Amino acid sequence: DAKTTQPPSMDCAEGRAANLPCNHSTISGNEYVYWYRQIHSQGPQYIIHGLKNNETNEMASLIITEDRKSSTLILPHATLRDTAVYYCIVSYSGNTPLVFGKGTRLSVIA
Amino acid sequence: GAGVSQTPSNKVTEKGKYVELRCDPISGHTALYWYRQSLGQGPEFLIYFQGTGAADDSGLPNDRFFAVRPEGSVSTLKIQRTERGDSAVYLCASSSGLGTDTQYFGPGTRLTVL
Repeated sequence: DAKTTQPPSMDCAEGRAANLPCNHSTISGNEYVYWYRQIHSQGPQYIIHGLKNNETNEMASLIITEDRKSSTLILPHATLRDTAVYYCIVSYSGNTPLVFGKGTRLSVIA
Repeated sequence: GAGVSQTPSNKVTEKGKYVELRCDPISGHTALYWYRQSLGQGPEFLIYFQGTGAADDSGLPNDRFFAVRPEGSVSTLKIQRTERGDSAVYLCASSSGLGTDTQYFGPGTRLTVL
């Protein structure tokens, strides 16, 4: 079973920041938090990952709480193309099988 | 550069038939994964290769499912005596096999068993 809990769906207005929460209260000390997204009829796409510190790349920012029991993925300026299912996954590294939950279906609305 | 490719993109077969699904990973990636995704669900792990060998096949649902990667590059997922419940999107991913590197997914093969 997935070790993460995410809301099933969220809406976001185009141009606004999308903040997607994830709970992972049983995460162990050397497990990473990974985020992937899946646009309709495509394979999952890697977004970002982190261990303890906040991370930022060209796609998104990842904020991890100090106790590491939850995290938030931030898309700073959501566009219609960001409409997708977003998966939060905890894993020892990227090179182990990923355990996906049902994710959050983000709808970006014009 | 080229990403992960999967063929065919769609496969329709009849119950009881044998099917093969192919995955071409990113060149140089030593790790290769197969997942299966049913409608409305997240992908479920099937099998993981490191090089030519299956490092973890714990996700294969039964002995009708088998996968090979004979030269450490292309992989084939084989399903014998297909059942209607095997209908799903079969996804392949590859990674460099090093450190915390990420998995890159192909577009998937949609299998429909009639």
